Amino acid sequence: NAGVTQTPKFQVLKTGQSMTLQCAQDMNHNSMYWYRQDPGMGLRLIYYSASEGTTDKGEVPNGYNVSRLNKREFSLRLESAAPSQTSVYFCASRDRISSGANVLTFGAGSRLTVL
Amino acid sequence: AQSVTQLDSHVSVSEGTPVLLRCNYSSSYSPSLFWYVQHPNKGLQLLLKYTSAATLVKGINGFEAEFKKSETSFHLTKPSAHMSDAAEYFCVVSDYSNAGNMLTFGGGTRLMVKP
Repeated sequence: NAGVTQTPKFQVLKTGQSMTLQCAQDMNHNSMYWYRQDPGMGLRLIYYSASEGTTDKGEVPNGYNVSRLNKREFSLRLESAAPSQTSVYFCASRDRISSGANVLTFGAGSRLTVL
Repeated sequence: AQSVTQLDSHVSVSEGTPVLLRCNYSSSYSPSLFWYVQHPNKGLQLLLKYTSAATLVKGINGFEAEFKKSETSFHLTKPSAHMSDAAEYFCVVSDYSNAGNMLTFGGGTRLMVKP
């Protein structure tokens, strides 16, 4: 099993450009998440999807949009990139929100630089 | 509301000496607590979790953590550090006080192991 796969691994954008980060999981998990990681701030939740067809804002949603394309895929879009969005982005999934397991499986991360 | 404070941003130990990474949490409900480890340029991996069973939790690679409700702490320990333990460690709390049962990450502690 591949687990959680993110693409691309690295991307450099100019201010104002748009791009989409792709995420797919093959574990039949219901819930999927997008986090950003910045030095000294841990991981902060951008958006999540509790189940196919639903999405909700997390702690830092401004400047981002998401699409839960199907149960496997959850994409993150930057419509007009800003230098403040330079970060490492992680996609994660888990079985279901009410599950006692409550454990996230993470992708390897996507390093985004906005110039 | 829930929050996590990792008391040290950096910890340096010598190989073979004990490791202590400190974590304090705040939660309105009975929380679930986790430690994740991130090796350089990798995604996050679950080290151990506490979900209201035994208060002393054993994880992978010889790590363990003790849940102390009276102190609202969940410190991570290991009797003898190995060079391969050098990584960043995140303490994470989750409870049912927020929609989506979201996880809140601490700021991270970077563990350095000297030969």
